[in-house]
Amino acid sequence: GAVVSQHPSRVICKSGTSVKIECRSLDFQATTMFWYRQFPKQSLMLMATSNEGSKATYEQGVEKDKFLINHASLTLSTLTVTSAHPEDSSFYICSAPVRGAGVKEQFFGPGTRLTVL
Amino acid sequence: QKEVEQDPGPLSVPEGAIVSLNCTYSNSAFQYFMWYRQYSRKGPELLMYTYSSGNKEDGRFTAQVDKSSKYISLFIRDSQPSDSATYLCAMSAGGNKLVFGAGTILRVKS
Repeated sequence: GAVVSQHPSRVICKSGTSVKIECRSLDFQATTMFWYRQFPKQSLMLMATSNEGSKATYEQGVEKDKFLINHASLTLSTLTVTSAHPEDSSFYICSAPVRGAGVKEQFFGPGTRLTVL
Repeated sequence: QKEVEQDPGPLSVPEGAIVSLNCTYSNSAFQYFMWYRQYSRKGPELLMYTYSSGNKEDGRFTAQVDKSSKYISLFIRDSQPSDSATYLCAMSAGGNKLVFGAGTILRVKS
């Protein structure tokens, strides 16, 4: 199947700093990417839909000024957690559907574990 | 009420057992039903995909969808220790937006 990578895989930062997470589709183009957050022993919660060349669409309750999303190209989306706080500590996962394919052709990255001290 | 309900477990079974994992949902617009497997600290990987009602079999895995009851199941035959993971059901009404269940932790003991 197609490959989606995330970088970094793990990051530890101090409270108040900003952290950038990259999501790349390595062998296919993705006009849309999705960002999820997963707390321990809980399911994936969709945070936002990243759209290449336009603004991201955020789910209800997700602060767009805190979680900045940029979809700079057909293979790269970035999520920046601004002024991170301990409650932002979580596992962040992106997914990318193959352009033009159905919902089953959606591939997930390996995730980024963010720990805010 | 959550759109998708899934018992988080953990479910512990001996090697070789038949495992039954289930999800219920409330949104009748869901048409696409997926089961993902997620190992610890990894991203989910697609196991089974079903469109609308019916059964689908792939090796040791069988997915069932009953839209009239809003109930889906995943059966794992001859379970192996390597099947130990979290199993997530996911659904879509169309497009690419997925709604996930909480995930069931499965432990297969050798």
